[in-house]
Amino acid sequence: GQNIDQPTEMTATEGAIVQINCTYQTSGFNGLFWYQQHAGEAPTFLSYNVLDGLEEKGRFSSFLSRSKGYSYLLLKELQMKDSASYLCAVRDEGTYKYIFGTGTRLKVLA
Amino acid sequence: EPEVTQTPSHQVTQMGQEVILRCVPISNHLYFYWYRQILGQKVEFLVSFYNNEISEKSEIFDDQFSVERPDGSNFTLKIRSTKLEDSAMYFCASSVPGAGNTQYFGPGTRLTVL
Repeated sequence: GQNIDQPTEMTATEGAIVQINCTYQTSGFNGLFWYQQHAGEAPTFLSYNVLDGLEEKGRFSSFLSRSKGYSYLLLKELQMKDSASYLCAVRDEGTYKYIFGTGTRLKVLA
Repeated sequence: EPEVTQTPSHQVTQMGQEVILRCVPISNHLYFYWYRQILGQKVEFLVSFYNNEISEKSEIFDDQFSVERPDGSNFTLKIRSTKLEDSAMYFCASSVPGAGNTQYFGPGTRLTVL
């Protein structure tokens, strides 16, 4: 089956670093994506990993280990506007559809 | 920066009525998708569309649903006879081949079925 797990909720303080984990079990794999979603809005693309290792993009980094079926999103220098849900999505091999996790709701406190 | 647009932003309808949700994908994109998100739940794939035909669909996308690209810019999702459980946010997305086929999402249409 297809399963993607993320923590439901996390809380962190402004200026801190937070790591949001994602584990997946899918029948195939052709890339892992992280999206940010503010309440009532569309998912916004943050990052993409298809090979093992770390991808860095400003305050956001994403890591992938295909052998472990594991990824994380690292957010540095947290700002209040980072309060949102963070969605992990996997693209199955031979398909273009995404399978989404339930998302992690991040609250950034002052 | 080009973006996916969707209309209407909110649609209220009576059970059993037909609705058409509209999307304008990013102009040079070739793949188009519909997803839905029931309030408080995860985003779920409905259908993908390429070269004027459906390339994949999920179990949710039954005979009540259809998609169309009526002209060079619009991409529509029709629900023939809406049910209460169709109430959800419907997102359109588009992508180009390559670069992981990253999908870019529109702002969504909130469908409320009464």
